[in-house]
Amino acid sequence: QLVLTQSPSASASLGGSVKITCTLSSGHSNYAIAWHQQEAEKGPRYLMKVHSDGSHDKGDGIPDRFSGSSSGAERYLTISSLQSEDEADYYCQTWVSANVVFGGGTKLTVL
Amino acid sequence: QLQLQESGPGLVKPSEPLSLTCTVSGGSISIGTYYWGWIRQPPGKGLEWIGNIYYSGTTHYSLSLKSRVTISVDTSKNQFSLKVNSVSAADTAVYHCARLRPGRDFLYWFDPWGQGTRVTVSS
Repeated sequence: QLVLTQSPSASASLGGSVKITCTLSSGHSNYAIAWHQQEAEKGPRYLMKVHSDGSHDKGDGIPDRFSGSSSGAERYLTISSLQSEDEADYYCQTWVSANVVFGGGTKLTVL
Repeated sequence: QLQLQESGPGLVKPSEPLSLTCTVSGGSISIGTYYWGWIRQPPGKGLEWIGNIYYSGTTHYSLSLKSRVTISVDTSKNQFSLKVNSVSAADTAVYHCARLRPGRDFLYWFDPWGQGTRVTVSS
């Protein structure tokens, strides 16, 4: 069974950078994932896909400050030049046998 | 630009069915490339996948909800719908609909999302 694991929280300073991690369960290290952002009281927004080869494909209008990378079973979302509006919940998501799997989400606090 | 909008009652009584509709605008639901999905988020918790439907009617459901959930599609109205039977307080959540897009490495991802509709189960 494929499981996506995320740390519940992360924090970083305004203007700084943060790396959020999504870990694929054993035996699934070749899966691609998608990152979604959910600001308070809003619907989620697709940010990007991250593949096992480290490449990433961003959604329309996603700023250059957002990037993705990969190492083994870990998929990363890096946000640089943090702004107050980046404070949000971030979810990773993947697809296996026509079923969707979400990570538990990471709440990002911008200090 | 494709947009999705959820609609339905905001309050449902325990043991009754919950029915929601997702209206798709700016594109056809009948394009044979995408799945269409429902996701929910209980208060203070993360996203939970409910199920998907293809325009032809093929469905896939979360194992935890499969016995109580039905997703259907109406291509003439460019809509798809969710029905959850025998609801309880545990079904109180914001319900989102979204399109599933296919891409490299067999990945489907949600894009775009509807803004969500809040449903409370209470007598």
